[in-house]
Amino acid sequence: DSGVTQTPKHLITATGQRVTLRCSPRSGDLSVYWYQQSLDQGLQFLIQYYNGEERAKGNILERFSAQQFPDLHSELNLSSLELGDSALYFCASSSSTDTQYFGPGTRLTVL
Amino acid sequence: AQSVAQPEDQVNVAEGNPLTVKCTYSVSGNPYLFWYVQYPNRGLQFLLKYITGDNLVKGSYGFEAEFNKSQTSFHLKKPSALVSDSALYFCAGYNFNKFYFGSGTKLNVKP
Repeated sequence: DSGVTQTPKHLITATGQRVTLRCSPRSGDLSVYWYQQSLDQGLQFLIQYYNGEERAKGNILERFSAQQFPDLHSELNLSSLELGDSALYFCASSSSTDTQYFGPGTRLTVL
Repeated sequence: AQSVAQPEDQVNVAEGNPLTVKCTYSVSGNPYLFWYVQYPNRGLQFLLKYITGDNLVKGSYGFEAEFNKSQTSFHLKKPSALVSDSALYFCAGYNFNKFYFGSGTKLNVKP
């Protein structure tokens, strides 16, 4: 168990809808990262937050947004969902050592 | 563009034999380098990392990795493979607050 929790585990929704994925980092970790893992594109870095502020951006679509709250948990919002957004979404957290610890993931299915 | 490459989609090895999973990187500066393992329906687990110093890094579960600056490689190795090592392995590079993951290599260890 990495200490990173993600909810929900599974999410099934329809095209055009909006969903929110939640992540709680390990105790004491200030950085939160979001990744998308799909079969054809591997692991894609989406975005990183550090202590509430956006620190780095990867291949995140404009339909997606994220934030990190004062208690350090983070949410990833996905809107106007398309079939191609179906994937595993991982959250990871790290402290200053830069090693990331990954949560179990949320499997999103868009029908 | 910065990237990490894992040239083999799949590696097959017999139990008890040595294994190598290859990784090369194209990340500027002196990147940190990582190996992660992913078991089915699980998040990624940290195996080991290289920051500086000895080119041979030892990690979890008997794995080690060899850093070679001239070849920009960071190959994962284990002297004697176990069936339980069968999983998906990811190499990653980190620099300037961004992580770059390879596409993953599926390791199959046969009894």
